[in-house]
Amino acid sequence: AQSVTQLGSHVSVSEGALVLLRCNYSSSVPPYLFWYVQYPNQGLQLLLKYTTGATLVKGINGFEAEFKKSETSFHLTKPSAHMSDAAEYFCAVRIYGNKLVFGAGTILRVKS
Amino acid sequence: GAVVSQHPSWVICKSGTSVKIECRSLDFQATTMFWYRQFPKQSLMLMATSNEGSKATYEQGVEKDKFLINHASLTLSTLTVTSAHPEDSSFYICSAAQGWGAGTGELFFGEGSRLTVL
Repeated sequence: AQSVTQLGSHVSVSEGALVLLRCNYSSSVPPYLFWYVQYPNQGLQLLLKYTTGATLVKGINGFEAEFKKSETSFHLTKPSAHMSDAAEYFCAVRIYGNKLVFGAGTILRVKS
Repeated sequence: GAVVSQHPSWVICKSGTSVKIECRSLDFQATTMFWYRQFPKQSLMLMATSNEGSKATYEQGVEKDKFLINHASLTLSTLTVTSAHPEDSSFYICSAAQGWGAGTGELFFGEGSRLTVL
């Protein structure tokens, strides 16, 4: 069965520092992987997705993620954190029936 | 990107009443919509898959008589929480698929609806 594990429920970085949010998945089929961001009391916004092709995926707001099959990982990074990046981030894997399974989420805090 | 709109954003109701939440795809047709529930400080849990013109498919453990889903058109799905109780208080989020069948589609999410049952 497909599942997603996000390491670290809370991550705190200083403004301008590297952001690294970890995501590992398990999937019995080639995975489609997604990162979403959620601001308080709002829905989810897609940051980026991996389906096939290039393993380094660039998304919105300067985020990118690299699909590493050997490590079953899809970590999200951003070179320089901005205050506006403070939010909750969800990694997700597409499973059968076109459904998404989400990780538990990581709350990113950006310190000034 | 495509826009999915939910209404209402906030709703407070008395215990025992029913509440309807609407999910609309504004600029595309969605044959499939998904309803999620999110508890405070937790992830999204898929409740059901809403299929236009047919019955919804519920996830294990979700009471279909409690959470009625209707997908009457290609742009509208509704979730009705019947005989609501305080434990039904939660954040409900819908999503719709554009181009999903092609294999590279993505889900677009509504803004969410926060239900508080007194």
